[in-house]
Amino acid sequence: AQRVTQPEKLLSVFKGAPVELKCNYSYSGSPELFWYVQYSRQRLQLLLRHISRESIKGFTADLNKGETSFHLKKPFAQEEDSAMYYCALSSTGRRALTFGSGTRLQVQP
Amino acid sequence: EADIYQTPRYLVIGTGKKITLECSQTMGHDKMYWYQQDPGMELHLIHYSYGVNSTEKGDLSSESTVSRIRTEHFPLTLESARPSHTSQYLCASSESTGGRETQYFGPGTRLLVL
Repeated sequence: AQRVTQPEKLLSVFKGAPVELKCNYSYSGSPELFWYVQYSRQRLQLLLRHISRESIKGFTADLNKGETSFHLKKPFAQEEDSAMYYCALSSTGRRALTFGSGTRLQVQP
Repeated sequence: EADIYQTPRYLVIGTGKKITLECSQTMGHDKMYWYQQDPGMELHLIHYSYGVNSTEKGDLSSESTVSRIRTEHFPLTLESARPSHTSQYLCASSESTGGRETQYFGPGTRLLVL
């Protein structure tokens, strides 16, 4: 069975500080990993996926198969980054997502 | 405008009532999903559909049922609501482009069963 773990429920940093939201997964096959974000009073939306190897809003995430991790990073946090972040996994053949429990990021001024 | 809609957004109802949560998408997506999320917890897949007349149960056992008679419509029904059904219900649909799947979420329905 696949599982996604986000060990931190809350991460609080000051503006300009680096941010790393942790995500670990367990899955025997080759997964596709995603980060979803939910800003206050908005719906859940895709932030980035590991296949794209892209940087969105300054965020990047690298898939480390050896450590089965997909941590989300940003070198300099902004106040507008404050939101709920969910790591998710999609397994081969099944397109529904398995979500972690989420990490709330608070960026203080 | 292409979007995914859920109604009602909030519902407070008494035990034993039958309820239907509506989900519609105008994106032309074949795949649709229902997730359940308790406060501060992860989203759990309860139902999914890969097309008309195709429905499957998800990872989390649920007393709810779904139907998919039209591509754009994926309603969820609880025949007899109970307080344990109190939760947030999120509908999603997905498209596959270039081998990559992207899920789009609706705004959710917050259900409170008294």
